[in-house]
Amino acid sequence: EVQLVESGGGLVQPGGSLRLSCAASGFTFSSYWMSWVRQAPGKGLEWVANIKQDGSEKYYVDSVKGRFSISRDNAENSLYLQMNSLRAEDTAMYYCARISWVTGTSRWYFDLWGRGTLVTVSS
Amino acid sequence: DIQMTQSPSSLSASVGDRVTIACRASQSINSCLNWYQQKPGKAPQLLIYAVSSLQSGVPSRFSGSGSGTDFTLTISSLQPEDFATYYCQQSYSIPITFGQGTRLEIK
Repeated sequence: EVQLVESGGGLVQPGGSLRLSCAASGFTFSSYWMSWVRQAPGKGLEWVANIKQDGSEKYYVDSVKGRFSISRDNAENSLYLQMNSLRAEDTAMYYCARISWVTGTSRWYFDLWGRGTLVTVSS
Repeated sequence: DIQMTQSPSSLSASVGDRVTIACRASQSINSCLNWYQQKPGKAPQLLIYAVSSLQSGVPSRFSGSGSGTDFTLTISSLQPEDFATYYCQQSYSIPITFGQGTRLEIK
């Protein structure tokens, strides 16, 4: 079955760290760009970070630059998000998402999502 | 950053109605526009990509159109399972941005 399964969320104090994982199965993980998208409780979707197939390109939303780091292990079919210096405003459900491209174009989209893992930053 | 603005923010409609949701980008996004559906407690699901391409498995009552900065998602005949929140998203430039969402409720 083609799926993404996130783990690693939980309750953490402000200033703390957490590492999220996303296990991919049912497709050739190393062939896809991957992403993290988050959703604060009762709010909309916010893109967090993208990573290229070989990890050579990474992009972040400004609010997490310098604090979060996206990485991947293609041998383990896994995506990660290392989150440091966590703030209350980082409280959200974090989704792992696969990126697919329209062939021959620069147009892409999130075509596969995990169920998410909840991160709560609170003292 | 490219701002994505959806209208309306919420909408009440009945089964069988035709519904249109608008999405406006703050600058041209070259057809890099996608639509997602999210039901309560669930992950988003892709409906439409590149403005008008229907994702595999998505019912044909969903359609997308538009160009430049103005885009629409249309549901031709609402079904009970369509009551959800809908988001547009631009993939033209970093940072990737979503609309604020349109909550579609049963009248």
